[in-house]
Amino acid sequence: EAGVAQSPRYKIIEKRQSVAFWCNPISGHATLYWYQQILGQGPKLLIQFQNNGVVDDSQLPKDRFSAERLKGVDSTLKIQPAKLEDSAVYLCASSDKGTANSPLHFGNGTRLTVT
Amino acid sequence: GDSVTQMEGPVTLSEEAFLTINCTYTATGYPSLFWYVQYPGEGLQLLLKATKADDKGSNKGFEATYRKETTSFHLEKGSVQVSDSAVYFCAPHTGGFKTIFGAGTRLFVKA
Repeated sequence: EAGVAQSPRYKIIEKRQSVAFWCNPISGHATLYWYQQILGQGPKLLIQFQNNGVVDDSQLPKDRFSAERLKGVDSTLKIQPAKLEDSAVYLCASSDKGTANSPLHFGNGTRLTVT
Repeated sequence: GDSVTQMEGPVTLSEEAFLTINCTYTATGYPSLFWYVQYPGEGLQLLLKATKADDKGSNKGFEATYRKETTSFHLEKGSVQVSDSAVYFCAPHTGGFKTIFGAGTRLFVKA
């Protein structure tokens, strides 16, 4: 099966600019996650979708971050305006049911550098 | 709140040495437990899992046992290889079906 696709792989922007990341999950996977991984740390959940509804966005900085999942498939994550501390790898993951026993399948991530 | 604590790295071992990476967690409810691995230049991938107390997850020679009484899920391998060099993440799947990750433990295996 095709894996989780993410683009772009790398992005360099200046602070106060905007940026968007795209994710296409594994076909048929109902649950989609966006994680932020700062260098040297474990991934931190930003937002979780079940189909096209938001399940958890408690750690999403909503003043600058937004995310949507169109028609319960693809998803985009946007940052506007970016800050230096947003430099990180943004990981998209999906799972088939989102239940406690369902493992996450990750994309290769987008490495964002904010200068 | 829910949290996970992993052994700090980096861990450097010689080939064929025994590996243990400690992981303990605090969580509401009864989480499923996962180990994920990130090889150089690759994305995170599932290594093994255990879904109930005393379950043992295993894959590629790695093992971890779900210890409910000590809230631990330590990763072990009897004989590591150079190809095991990677970053390992302990990840309980907690209430609300949310997966939280430890900080990761980087393993270097020398030939």
